[in-house]
Amino acid sequence: AQTVTQSQPEMSVQEAETVTLSCTYDTSESDYYLFWYKQPPSRQMILVIRQEAYKQQNATENRFSVNFQKAAKSFSLKISDSQLGDAAMYFCAYRVISNFGNEKLTFGTGTRLTIIP
Amino acid sequence: EAGVAQSPRYKIIEKRQSVAFWCNPISGHATLYWYQQILGQGPKLLIQFQNNGVVDDSQLPKDRFSAERLKGVDSTLKIQPAKLEDSAVYLCASSTLPSLFLSTDTQYFGPGTRLTVL
Repeated sequence: AQTVTQSQPEMSVQEAETVTLSCTYDTSESDYYLFWYKQPPSRQMILVIRQEAYKQQNATENRFSVNFQKAAKSFSLKISDSQLGDAAMYFCAYRVISNFGNEKLTFGTGTRLTIIP
Repeated sequence: EAGVAQSPRYKIIEKRQSVAFWCNPISGHATLYWYQQILGQGPKLLIQFQNNGVVDDSQLPKDRFSAERLKGVDSTLKIQPAKLEDSAVYLCASSTLPSLFLSTDTQYFGPGTRLTVL
């Protein structure tokens, strides 16, 4: 079974600084996708960034970028120029495409990010 | 484009009572998911529909939970009878992905329903 591990329950960063959130996963699949979702207090899960396993190039979305190390099964999120609005729970998630069309997301336990003004 | 709608946003019930949650996915999205998120944990898939058929319900406690997606659009998730451990946020998500295509399709989430069982 696939598992996703986020070893940092809480992180904090000074506003405008850079922070990296860690994620590791375990899978025997070769085709899969990885995601970072943000969940603010409103509870709505918002997609931050995604990475296809077959792509060597790391995904980037504005201030958000990932460091994807397929051999090490590591998928960290870097947030540059942190802003107060970045404060939230961040979840790493994994998805495989199975033969049966089951695209369920497997989530980690989350990292609570606090931005210090 | 309207997002995934869910209602109610909050629900408080006594144990052994029944409760129902409603989800309206993004228009045109064939696939609908219900997740349970217990406090301090990541969401866990309960059931996945593709159109009005069930793709995966392996983690749905079928003795008390049921879900349906009539006409392949809206969906309801029901708990009967509720237990204390059912207290959680219930998230609905939808995506366009039919199973035949590899793509980077994304699941879009609704705001969730927070259930408290007393």
